[in-house]
Amino acid sequence: GQQLNQSPQSMFIQEGEDVSMNCTSSSIFNTWLWYKQDPGEGPVLLIALYKAGELTSNGRLTAQFGITRKDSFLNISASIPSDVGIYFCAGPLTGTASKLTFGTGTRLQVTL
Amino acid sequence: NAGVTQTPKFRILKIGQSMTLQCTQDMNHNYMYWYRQDPGMGLKLIYYSVGAGITDKGEVPNGYNVSRSTTEDFPLRLELAAPSQTSVYFCAIQMSGGRTGELFFGEGSRLTVL
Repeated sequence: GQQLNQSPQSMFIQEGEDVSMNCTSSSIFNTWLWYKQDPGEGPVLLIALYKAGELTSNGRLTAQFGITRKDSFLNISASIPSDVGIYFCAGPLTGTASKLTFGTGTRLQVTL
Repeated sequence: NAGVTQTPKFRILKIGQSMTLQCTQDMNHNYMYWYRQDPGMGLKLIYYSVGAGITDKGEVPNGYNVSRSTTEDFPLRLELAAPSQTSVYFCAIQMSGGRTGELFFGEGSRLTVL
């Protein structure tokens, strides 16, 4: 089945540093979404991408829809402690518009 | 997470017991979903519904049942609980006017089967 692989699995960074993470698939996706999950909470949508090559920002977050349609990237600039959490990429399963599959997640920890 | 209410928040079950996880939304959305999240893992879709009376299987439906008699409620039933069903369960809706994948999640229900 379709799988979304995220890299890195986890990362420790210092406050103020920039962060980059990516999500890859062996299948083509027409939509890429990025969610963040805080401990003990449900995921929250950060950014949605609907067009190959699209670059979208949400505050300090910037995400890109890869040209091949098989990958997406999320960057966080000038990280702060509240950026701590797990970041998931997601996309709709083949042949469906309403069923999302989620990546394995990137756990971000920020040190002061 | 106002708008999507999940109950209970925590539950411990014995093997073979049954229970229903409740999910209620007050935003009149048609699309509702049930996901499970195992420790350290991503979310897996169990079942979803595109409107009252319509449900369909996701990636991991075995061991679960759903119903959607009203727009507001989308309960998830476990008939014979097994340790493999220990997980955190999230209910979600597709946000009004939202495009594919723009989901709003509840706070989750943590289930342990012993």
